[in-house]
Amino acid sequence: DIQMTQSPSSLSASVGDRVTITCRASQGISNYLAWFQQKPGKAPKSLIYAASSLQSGVPLKFSGSGSGTDFTLTISSLQPEDFATYYCQQYNSYPLTFGGGTKVEIK
Amino acid sequence: QVQLQESGPGLVKPSETLSLTCTVSGGSISSYYWNWIRQPPGKGLEWIGYIYYSGSTDYNPSLNSRVTISLDTSKNQFSLRLTSVTAADTAVYYCARGHSYGANWFDPWGQGTLVTVSS
Repeated sequence: DIQMTQSPSSLSASVGDRVTITCRASQGISNYLAWFQQKPGKAPKSLIYAASSLQSGVPLKFSGSGSGTDFTLTISSLQPEDFATYYCQQYNSYPLTFGGGTKVEIK
Repeated sequence: QVQLQESGPGLVKPSETLSLTCTVSGGSISSYYWNWIRQPPGKGLEWIGYIYYSGSTDYNPSLNSRVTISLDTSKNQFSLRLTSVTAADTAVYYCARGHSYGANWFDPWGQGTLVTVSS
């Protein structure tokens, strides 16, 4: 199985901050990576697929980059509605696997 | 706009079988990959498996021997069956659409349903 490791596991940030979350795969996955946002009590919501393609309707403040084993999700200017947990998911090979999540909290 | 909705018992006894159904509305189930994913309370996400509209399936080896996913195209539904459950199977269960075998990322998701395993 491909292990996905996210860092940090949590972070505190202020409104307006630029935030970067990292996801590392245990082996190369090309660009077969997706990012999701999950708010408490809600289902995850798709943000990015193919490492850097923005899902329809997702604000441009979200961006993704990377290829191979190292990936990042960046929120350019954090807003109150962005405080949530973010997960990466690889779909290069089965079984599909997720990172452990990064909780973004208000400083 | 495709929407997914999970349904099924919220409480299952240990050693019994968990059964859930996902109803797809706003689009046909006769395409795409249809997945089940779960999330234990306060923990991360685990992919359970998928079914393709042709009926082909693939399951997470961690659950392989206990999982069956089936499809009912006439009702636009797919279902999950997990046998011999224990407390470790307590989780929110989500259904989600995947785009293709090689692009099986999930969108949209159902709202999720909590299943508790307890006597």
